[in-house]
Amino acid sequence: GIQVEQSPPDLILQEGANSTLRCNFSDSVNNLQWFHQNPWGQLINLFYIPSGTKQNGRLSATTVATERYSLLYISSSQTTDSGVYFCAVSGANNLFFGTGTRLTVIP
Amino acid sequence: KAGVTQTPRYLIKTRGQQVTLSCSPISGHRSVSWYQQTPGQGLQFLFEYFSETQRNKGNFPGRFSGRQFSNSRSEMNVSTLELGDSALYLCASTLFTQETQYFGPGTRLLVL
Repeated sequence: GIQVEQSPPDLILQEGANSTLRCNFSDSVNNLQWFHQNPWGQLINLFYIPSGTKQNGRLSATTVATERYSLLYISSSQTTDSGVYFCAVSGANNLFFGTGTRLTVIP
Repeated sequence: KAGVTQTPRYLIKTRGQQVTLSCSPISGHRSVSWYQQTPGQGLQFLFEYFSETQRNKGNFPGRFSGRQFSNSRSEMNVSTLELGDSALYLCASTLFTQETQYFGPGTRLLVL
């Protein structure tokens, strides 16, 4: 299957700081999604972004498919941004998840 | 629209028992996928159903099985439970395949 690596594994930020999360993948993919998993386990879809750049409020994402990476930007972080961020990519059918970045935002 | 629902939310079983989990997708969605999440292995794909047919299966033993009904609701079954089956089981639905996946809240299974 496709290998998905995320960095950093852990990130601690002061409220109001900005951050960049990275996702590298080992093969060409049909789609790429970013998810946020809250402390109760719910996975929330943030972006469906096989290529290009998208923005949604304080979050934005960029995928460079030819170089096999994607970046998730979080600006002006808030305590509610805490949780685990997953990148997931799909080749033929399966969705392969990275190991996630655990973000903790401190007030 | 109502989101993806999963029942039950929590479950405690003992080794050797079997369990059935249910997932109702978003209305109109025809594809349902199942995932297992554990601290050691992370999020792993179990299988995907589309229009009552299993389209793809992950690398799990035959004790893990599933099905999808004509109304797109899906069930997964785990027979002869092992301690290592303790996990959060997540289901996701999409309108078709290769699209944005919407996840349910999950079922937390504890095997004693």
